[in-house]
Amino acid sequence: EVQLQQSGAELVRPGTSVKLSCKVSGDTITAYYMHFVKQRPGQGLEWIGRIDPEDDSTKYAEKFKNKATLTADTSSNTAYLKLSSLTSEDTATYFCTTDLDYWGQGVMVTVSS
Amino acid sequence: DIQMTQSPSSLPASLGDRVTITCRASQDIGNYLRWFQQKPGKSPRLMIYGATNLAAGVPSRFSGSRSGSDYSLTINSLESEDMAIYYCLQHNEYPLTFGSGTKLEIK
Repeated sequence: EVQLQQSGAELVRPGTSVKLSCKVSGDTITAYYMHFVKQRPGQGLEWIGRIDPEDDSTKYAEKFKNKATLTADTSSNTAYLKLSSLTSEDTATYFCTTDLDYWGQGVMVTVSS
Repeated sequence: DIQMTQSPSSLPASLGDRVTITCRASQDIGNYLRWFQQKPGKSPRLMIYGATNLAAGVPSRFSGSRSGSDYSLTINSLESEDMAIYYCLQHNEYPLTFGSGTKLEIK
C-alpha cells in the first residue's frame, strides 16, 4: 500500500522560506506525478502544482509560480515543496498526493511574527 | 483556467436520503473529473475517478455521472459517516481546478 508521510508543522516568520517534505513508501516515487494542494483554514482546496520525479518537469498554477518550488529526490523517494517570501496568506495546510489518489496527512504552516 | 462551479455549497439532509451534488465545467474536460470527500482535520479521500468510476473501498451507495458539462455525485441512502465536505476536481488541463466544495450535514 502506498503511503505518504509529510514533515511536521511549521511556525515561521514573515519574509522567510520553508521547505516541506513528502516521503513516499510502498512504491517508487517515479511511478507518479506528485501534486501539492493548499487549504487555508476553513477554506477549500487549491492546486499548487505538480512534479514528475522521473524528469523533474514541473507545472504550477500561475499564482504560485513565484511562491512555490517543487523538487524531488528519487534516492529517498521524497518530494519537496518550498514556499518563499512567506506572508500571512501562506498560513495553511499543505497536502501532497500521488496522482491525486493517495494523500499525505497534511502539514500546517503558520506564518506569524 | 477552467472554472468548476459546484452546487449547492451546503446541503442539509437526513439519514437515508438520496442526495446529489453537481459541478459544471466552464470548458470541455471530458471525463477527467474526480470527486473527493474530506472530513474535519483529515486529508481528502478519492471517491470517484473518470467521472463515473468508484474508487477502491468506496461504498456502492456512491455514484458519479455526467451530462454534458455537468458532473454529479449521488449518494443513495445517506449514512452518518457520509457527513463531510465534497469537492470536485478537473484534471483535464493545467492548472487543475477544484470546485468550491459542498458541505453535507445532518438536517
